[in-house]
Amino acid sequence: ETGVTQTPRHLVMGMTNKKSLKCEQHLGHNAMYWYKQSAKKPLELMFVYSLEERVENNSVPSRFSPECPNSSHLFLHLHTLQPEDSALYLCASSQDPSGGAGETQYFGPGTRLLVL
Amino acid sequence: AQKITQTQPGMFVQEKEAVTLDCTYDTSDQSYGLFWYKQPSSGEMIFLIYQGSYDEQNATEGRYSLNFQKARKSANLVISASQLGDSAMYFCAMREGTSGTYKYIFGTGTRLKVLA
Repeated sequence: ETGVTQTPRHLVMGMTNKKSLKCEQHLGHNAMYWYKQSAKKPLELMFVYSLEERVENNSVPSRFSPECPNSSHLFLHLHTLQPEDSALYLCASSQDPSGGAGETQYFGPGTRLLVL
Repeated sequence: AQKITQTQPGMFVQEKEAVTLDCTYDTSDQSYGLFWYKQPSSGEMIFLIYQGSYDEQNATEGRYSLNFQKARKSANLVISASQLGDSAMYFCAMREGTSGTYKYIFGTGTRLKVLA
C-alpha cells in the first residue's frame, strides 16, 4: 500500500466502550499527527509525534490516548467517550517538521466515529 | 481572532471556467507556510499546493496556482479549467511557529461545486 492508511474507516461505539484507531504511513516520514474534524468547524490538531516523541498535545481530554510505537504507526486509544466526540478523525504524516515545503502533511482517509 | 479566514462557505463554477477561492491569514511570524487541501466526500484530505512565506514567486501545481499577496496576508487558490471532479471542500491552512513547536491551523473551508 502507498500513502497513509487508517483503520477502521467507520466506527460506532458506546460511551463505555474502549476502541483504538490505527494509522500507518508508507511514505518514510518522521512526523505523524492526529486531527479531529467536526461538522462546520475547522480542523483541530490533537497530537503531534516527531521521531516517535510526542511534541504537541493541544489540551485534548485524557479519554483520548495516543501511541506511536514507531515512525510508521500511530494509534489513538479511545475510552469513555462522549457523544460530542463524534467526528471524522484524520491522521497525517510529514517528512520533516523543521520547516519548508518538506513539512507538507499527507492525510489518510479518516475514521468516521459515532459515539452513542 | 481567526488565524485563517475563508469567507466563501460555498462556490459554484461552470465546467472549464476558472475559479478563485479566497483565504486570508493572520500571523506575526516572519517564517510560515501556507497550504491548500482538497477534501472530497470520501473524507481524505488531498494536498494541492504549498507557498512559503519567503517564496517570491507564486506557487503553481498543474491547474492550481496560489495568488500570494504577502502585504495583504492573502493566499487565494486559483483553479483553472475547472473539472467536475474538482467538486469538493477546499481548506486553506497555515503552519506557524518554529521547529518543535509548529502549529497547523485550518480554515473552515469552501465547498466548491462544478456545474456541467
